[in-house]
Amino acid sequence: EVQLVESGGTLVQPGRSLRLSCAASGFTFGDYAMHWVRQAPGKGLEWVSSISWNSGSMGFAGSVKGRFTISRDNAKNSLHLQMNSLRGEDTALYYCTRSPSYREPNFDYWGQGTLVTVSS
Amino acid sequence: QSALTQPASVSGSPGQSITISCTGTSSDVGTYHLVSWYQQHPGKAPKFMIYEETKRPSGVSNRFSGSKSGNTASLTISGLQADDEADYYCCSYAGSGTLVFGGGTKLTVL
Repeated sequence: EVQLVESGGTLVQPGRSLRLSCAASGFTFGDYAMHWVRQAPGKGLEWVSSISWNSGSMGFAGSVKGRFTISRDNAKNSLHLQMNSLRGEDTALYYCTRSPSYREPNFDYWGQGTLVTVSS
Repeated sequence: QSALTQPASVSGSPGQSITISCTGTSSDVGTYHLVSWYQQHPGKAPKFMIYEETKRPSGVSNRFSGSKSGNTASLTISGLQADDEADYYCCSYAGSGTLVFGGGTKLTVL
């Protein structure tokens, strides 16, 4: 059974940093591109970042470019999102999801999300 | 990198058909055959409904279908059922390794 389990979300002050993780199981992690998608409270889905199967390609939404970095460890079946210089508008539920290819938004499995709240 | 445009809400009666549009530009929807659709019930993670504009993942009802014309993709739900009431989102590849979602459409089954 495919499982994606996010962790690391918490209450954090503006300007601080936070690292989210996603533990994957039930599939060959290295065969898939991985993505972060977020959803602010009461709002729609927003793509945040993607990473190809071998970490050779990465993409970021304009709203997080230069502040967030994405990484993965295929040996440990894990995905990470390093979030720096956090702002109030980064407050959201952050989902981890996968797709067969870096360019394809074919997100067939999703985690349950981890909540990040940025507030003083 | 602007969000794709979806109607805020649509509604229909049980048994009817509805269509949700998703309008982008020639830089995303109009160029790439990489549009997907998601259904999201309150408090739940999104569910994968359509990919590559028209294809249905295994297990998704054939009442759900996708299409595209120019810069606009569409999701049609036929034979509306109460459980179809949810939020629906489109998503497209937008070039240069970026993706973009639509703003979402709330479907109400009357």
